Parts: sequence; C-alpha cells; structure tokens
Amino acid sequence: EVQLLESGGGLVQPGGSLRLSCAASGFTFSSSAMSWVRQAPGKGLEWVSTISDGGGSTYYADSVKGRFTNSRDNSKNTLYLQMNSLRAEDTAVYYCAKTTLSTKRVGMRRITMIVAFDYWGQGTLVTVSS
Amino acid sequence: QSALTQPASVSGSPGQSITISCTGTSSDVGGHNYVSWYQQHPGKAPNLMIYEVSDRPSGVSNRFSGSKSGNTASLTISGLQAEDEADYYCSSYTSSSTVVFGGGTKLTVL
Repeated sequence: EVQLLESGGGLVQPGGSLRLSCAASGFTFSSSAMSWVRQAPGKGLEWVSTISDGGGSTYYADSVKGRFTNSRDNSKNTLYLQMNSLRAEDTAVYYCAKTTLSTKRVGMRRITMIVAFDYWGQGTLVTVSS
Repeated sequence: QSALTQPASVSGSPGQSITISCTGTSSDVGGHNYVSWYQQHPGKAPNLMIYEVSDRPSGVSNRFSGSKSGNTASLTISGLQAEDEADYYCSSYTSSSTVVFGGGTKLTVL
C-alpha cells in the first residue's frame, strides 16, 4: 500500500524559512517522480513543484520559483521542500504526491511531461503570519 | 498561467448523470492529452479519478468517465450516488512544462 506522510508544517513569520518532509513507503520511491501541491484554506489546488525519480530534473510554478527548492534522498525514501522568503500567500496545506511522468523525443530533444498525481499524502499545514 | 475554468457547482439526483466541464487553452488542455481529474472529500486529500483525458486508475468506478474536445475537457459521472458528493478538480500539463489546475467544482447530490 502506498503511503505518503508529510511533516514539518507550522507557523512561520513572513520572510522566514521552513523545510517540509514527505516519507514514502509501499512503492519503489527511487523509481518514482514526486510532486508538491498546495491548497490555501478554502481554496483550490495549486501545483508547486515536481522532481524526477533521480532528482536530476525539477520543475516549479512561477509563484515559488527562486524561493522553494524541491529535493529528495532516495536512500531515505524521503522528499523535501525547502521554503525560503515565505509570504502570507504561501499559507496552505502542502501535499506530496507520487507522480507519473511521460517522456517523448521531439527532434533532438527529449521532453518530459507531468501526467498525473497518482497518490497523495494527507498534507501538512503551513501558516505564514506575524 | 491562468487556472482552468470549471463551474463552481453542479448538482444532480441519485441515479442521474452529471458532467463537469474544464476549459483551458491550446497551451494546456487543447495542446496535450495529459488532463486529469481529482475527487476531494471535505478534510481529505485529493484522489485521482481520471488521467490522460479518459483513463481510469484501477479501483475507480466505471461510472466515472472523461473526454476532451478542443480546449475543453469533461468529467461525466453516471448513476450518481451519495458518496460522489465532493469537490472535483481538473488539471492539465502545459506547454511551459508546468501543471495548471481548475478552480474546482462542488458536486451536490440532491
């Protein structure tokens, strides 16, 4: 059974930093891409970032690019999200999700596409407030 | 990247069918067949219901089906049941190598 358990959420002041973790089990973590998706209170889902199975490729939403870093430790079956320069609008429940990618060749280039978020954790709440 | 457009709410009676639309652009829904649909019950994590426009993960009821025409994708739920009452979100891969979600649709089973 796939299990994803997020941790590390909490209250942080604007401009502060926080690191989220997502412990994975029940599947071959090192062979799976992973993502972070967030949901502000009472609002819809917002994609944050995706990382490839080996960690060599990362993708970010414009709203977090340059402030958040998505990384993984395959020896520990753990995904991380380092969040810096936090803003009030980053307040949300953050979900980690097992992700399916698809790769196709276009001419000499290989393009990787994010297909779907197959399994989700229960989320961890991040509140940015003074 | 603007969010995909979904109706805020839809409703139906048990046994009926409903359809939720999801409208984007040629850079997302219209340009790629990587449209997914997620069901979210209150206080719970989302659950994948449809991927690649019309494929169902194992374990998802065949009452759920997806389709796409041009820049609009659709989720149809047939034989509505009380447990289908939830929020539904569409998402699409985009030409910018990102993912965009719809604003969500609240389904009420009357």
